[in-house]
Amino acid sequence: EAGVAQSPRYKIIEKRQSVAFWCNPISGHATLYWYQQILGQGPKLLIQFQNNGVVDDSQLPKDRFSAERLKGVDSTLKIQPAKLEDSAVYLCASSPNGGAGGAFFGQGTRLTVV
Amino acid sequence: QKEVEQDPGPLSVPEGAIVSLNCTYSNSAFQYFMWYRQYSRKGPELLMYTYSSGNKEDGRFTAQVDKSSKYISLFIRDSQPSDSATYLCAMSDGRGSTLGRLYFGRGTQLTVWP
Repeated sequence: EAGVAQSPRYKIIEKRQSVAFWCNPISGHATLYWYQQILGQGPKLLIQFQNNGVVDDSQLPKDRFSAERLKGVDSTLKIQPAKLEDSAVYLCASSPNGGAGGAFFGQGTRLTVV
Repeated sequence: QKEVEQDPGPLSVPEGAIVSLNCTYSNSAFQYFMWYRQYSRKGPELLMYTYSSGNKEDGRFTAQVDKSSKYISLFIRDSQPSDSATYLCAMSDGRGSTLGRLYFGRGTQLTVWP
């Protein structure tokens, strides 16, 4: 079974530029998450989707971050404009309906804002 | 007070030792408990998933949940150098038919030396 796919693996941009990350969850998983992991810390939730609807985006900085999951499968996370403090690893995870078995993460996208 | 507390270590043990990792939490509504292993520059890999209280064993790994004390543990028997990684605990209270937001500890860095 294929895991969670993310791209790109690495991205370097200048502050005030925009950037987008892509995620394809495990086939059949209804729940998709985007997490931000700053070096030395545990991941923090940015947004949770159930199929193509938003379940929790309370921690998403909506003035600069946006995410969509239009067809209930893959998802895109965008940052515009980027700030220096957005430098982090952006992790996508998916979970089956009901959550049994836990959540499975992709390899992440390491973003550096200079 | 943070939702989930985890000693960041670092923890250094000889090969073959029994390793004990633990987390405490404050939210009594948490009912899903997970342990992840994260190698440098990789995404978190799900090791153990437990629903509610009790013990779960998988090979050299044993997860314990004590909801009365709000305390979870991961034991690694016969530790190997390949176990050297950061171990993250995560937990959630579930939301509707989903796992809900995962709350993470900051991770414990483990080194197993030969």
